[in-house]
Amino acid sequence: DTGVSQDPRHKITKRGQNVTFRCDPISEHNRLYWYRQTLGQGPEFLTYFQNEAQLEKSRLLSDRFSAERPKGSFSTLEIQRTEQGDSAMYLCASSRGRDQPQHFGDGTRLSIL
Amino acid sequence: SQQGEEDPQALSIQEGENATMNCSYKTSINNLQWYRQNSGRGLVHLILIRSNEREKHSGRLRVTLDTSKKSSSLLITASRAADTASYFCATELAGANSKLTFGKGITLSVRP
Repeated sequence: DTGVSQDPRHKITKRGQNVTFRCDPISEHNRLYWYRQTLGQGPEFLTYFQNEAQLEKSRLLSDRFSAERPKGSFSTLEIQRTEQGDSAMYLCASSRGRDQPQHFGDGTRLSIL
Repeated sequence: SQQGEEDPQALSIQEGENATMNCSYKTSINNLQWYRQNSGRGLVHLILIRSNEREKHSGRLRVTLDTSKKSSSLLITASRAADTASYFCATELAGANSKLTFGKGITLSVRP
């Protein structure tokens, strides 16, 4: 069990640029989740996958956000035309399924200049 | 929306003392999970307690769940300076999906 891995750990970019984050879940976990956390708040759900199928998207996930999990293994989260309000920690988690613990990576901290 | 609400928002205790943190929620759940987060890091899973369970233990941690009151508590016994962190409760709502809804967290400081 190597844990959930996220890359990069930090991303600094200018407003208007596109960014992409990667998440590698625990290998035998079929569910993968993305959350966003701002300072002083708890994580907020963005979207989740069961294998390669994206099953739910939060209203927080505007049209500028897209997530994929093409082969049911790693996932990417892309933000197009970044805005100041996108600055946050983006967290990925994985689990064996419903009613199971979710295990989190260390996150990608995004800073928009 | 934040379904889980932790109480207190901040807690400062002396090493060796016990720390009790509370969480309330609003709707029916499959389970409730407690997490720890150190500054700038991801969340570490502590305990999952299912809706048909009343109490679980893991090392120095004890979690209770009262579904009639829609509340849970996390007790850390014999606290250590290394327990200093933010603690979150998260609920998996009853239903088809498994997304977690988090509270704002409790900041625990353990003084050596």
